[in-house]
Amino acid sequence: DAKTTQPTSMDCAEGRAANLPCNHSTISGNEYVYWYRQIHSQGPQYIIHGLKNNETNEMASLIITEDRKSSTLILPHATLRDTAVYYCIARGGNKLVFGAGTILRVKS
Amino acid sequence: NAGVTQTPKFRVLKTGQSMTLLCAQDMNHEYMYWYRQDPGMGLRLIHYSVGEGTTAKGEVPDGYNVSRLKKQNFLLGLESAAPSQTSVYFCASSYPPRRGNSPLHFGNGTRLTVT
Repeated sequence: DAKTTQPTSMDCAEGRAANLPCNHSTISGNEYVYWYRQIHSQGPQYIIHGLKNNETNEMASLIITEDRKSSTLILPHATLRDTAVYYCIARGGNKLVFGAGTILRVKS
Repeated sequence: NAGVTQTPKFRVLKTGQSMTLLCAQDMNHEYMYWYRQDPGMGLRLIHYSVGEGTTAKGEVPDGYNVSRLKKQNFLLGLESAAPSQTSVYFCASSYPPRRGNSPLHFGNGTRLTVT
């Protein structure tokens, strides 16, 4: 699976959109981009995934660049409950290796 | 559906004791994983399984053994616990990655302390 790079931490004002970037410049054609988040010490929660096209669900939107070398997770109206560690993962093989993720702090 | 269930939720062991952590999933997933997470750190893959009767090593397999005798269960064993194995253990399951729509579903974790 391709290595991903994310900023260590980000702050966002409550009610504003949170845009979390992820770099995956070595991603291969069959690897999907997955996003998870982990709130405090709970088990990671799946958010969204995509291959080429932009995706949207009830939680978030995923924007993947045309060359697929980077993506952005968008939480349209961040709330205090969105404070968590967000993980971006490129998955194509059997293993799923997590990086350090981005700590998102939503502030009132 | 219960999803992914881990037992026990908490456990305290003395150094040298053994124990088995149980993970059960009711989603008919082929793939199952065991991760550990130490305070302030990300998840590290211990072992994984791509189907009943098969297991493979992850990033940090030493000191652990696993078995996948039934498709729905994945057991993680500590034969001789060490303080360095104090951690939160997460189990996850998924469909095969080739299906594309194969997010991991995680359990709520087992908090293990080795004294």
